[in-house]
Amino acid sequence: AQTVTQSQPEMSVQEAETVTLSCTYDTSESDYYLFWYKQPPSRQMILVIRQEAYKQQNATENRFSVNFQKAAKSFSLKISDSQLGDAAMYFCAYRQEYGNKLVFGAGTILRVKS
Amino acid sequence: NAGVTQTPKFRILKIGQSMTLQCAQDMNHNYMYWYRQDPGMGLKLIYYSVGAGITDKGEVPNGYNVSRSTTEDFPLRLELAAPSQTSVYFCASSPRRDYGYTFGSGTRLTVV
Repeated sequence: AQTVTQSQPEMSVQEAETVTLSCTYDTSESDYYLFWYKQPPSRQMILVIRQEAYKQQNATENRFSVNFQKAAKSFSLKISDSQLGDAAMYFCAYRQEYGNKLVFGAGTILRVKS
Repeated sequence: NAGVTQTPKFRILKIGQSMTLQCAQDMNHNYMYWYRQDPGMGLKLIYYSVGAGITDKGEVPNGYNVSRSTTEDFPLRLELAAPSQTSVYFCASSPRRDYGYTFGSGTRLTVV
């Protein structure tokens, strides 16, 4: 079974600085999809970014980008110019190419200091 | 543009009571899911459905039941509530296998 590991239970960043959240996963598949979700205190789950494993180019969405290392099975999220509104729990998730469901990591709490 | 709607948002149950958590989506998504999130933890899959009339168990199905009679609705039934079912429950939907989910806003359930 696929597993997703987020090794940082909690991270802090100063406003306007850059932070990287780590995620590793275990799979024997060659094609799959990876996601980062944000859960602010409102508890609403919000899709931040999506990566297709067959694409070598790292996905980017405004201040959010990923570092996808397929051989290392690593999928880290970089947040640039951090803002107070970025404070949230961040979840990494994996989906098989022909799978019906997402597998989530345990999450990383990000705190942003002003 | 409602997306995924969950009701109720909060509920307190007594041990042994039953209830149904409602989930409806208006995006014509085939895939629907129920997850639970315990405090400080990730999401664990309870049940999912790949289309009307088709449901399957996830990681933690014990104590729950689901049905999917229409594309839009995917209710989660709790029978004989137990304190271990105290959690936040999320419903989600997805149009295709390669897409992420659209989530509802969650239901906070406390069993006392």
